[in-house]
Amino acid sequence: GEDVEQSLFLSVREGDSSVINCTYTDSSSTYLYWYKQEPGAGLQLLTYIFSNMDMKQDQRLTVLLNKKDKHLSLRIADTQTGDSAIYFCAESLYNFNKFYFGSGTKLNVKP
Amino acid sequence: NAGVMQNPRHLVRRRGQEARLRCSPMKGHSHVYWYRQLPEEGLKFMVYLQKENIIDESGMPKERFSAEFPKEGPSILRIQQVVRGDSAAYFCASSRGTTSGKGYEQYFGPGTRLTVT
Repeated sequence: GEDVEQSLFLSVREGDSSVINCTYTDSSSTYLYWYKQEPGAGLQLLTYIFSNMDMKQDQRLTVLLNKKDKHLSLRIADTQTGDSAIYFCAESLYNFNKFYFGSGTKLNVKP
Repeated sequence: NAGVMQNPRHLVRRRGQEARLRCSPMKGHSHVYWYRQLPEEGLKFMVYLQKENIIDESGMPKERFSAEFPKEGPSILRIQQVVRGDSAAYFCASSRGTTSGKGYEQYFGPGTRLTVT
């Protein structure tokens, strides 16, 4: 199966930038995604990037993709306490039938 | 436009009972996916369905688990003779399907948290 790896925890201070990293193994990934999960809730699609792109920016979120190293990152600028959640990276292959998820990075934002 | 609906949100079953989890996709979505999330883990794909068809069930356990998406009504994930190891959060996602050009967007429901006692 496809492996998607993330670090488990990240702690930042309010107002700082957060960078959450993800690595994947399947070079045939078509889209890569970032989802946010708050306690007891479902997954909220934050953003995604097509595999032929290097970067995508959406307000406070910046996604960087290094396809050669199979490395994806999510940068959250001016991190707020409301950003505290678990962030999942996921990849889909050419047929979009299923997504492969990392185990999630728990972001803790300290006031 | 309502999002993906799942019910119940919480379900408690004793070992050996059956669990039925329901998922209604977003309006306009004809593709449904089921995922399981064990505590402290990411989501694992179970099954992908379109109306009246199972497209990919490669992530489904071979026994006790089944899924359907009938012509009318919600998609159902059914777990027979539940065991403690089935305790998890079960998430449903829906999409428009690949031919729409937006098949790469999957939207998730709030999940059903199954506890087996």
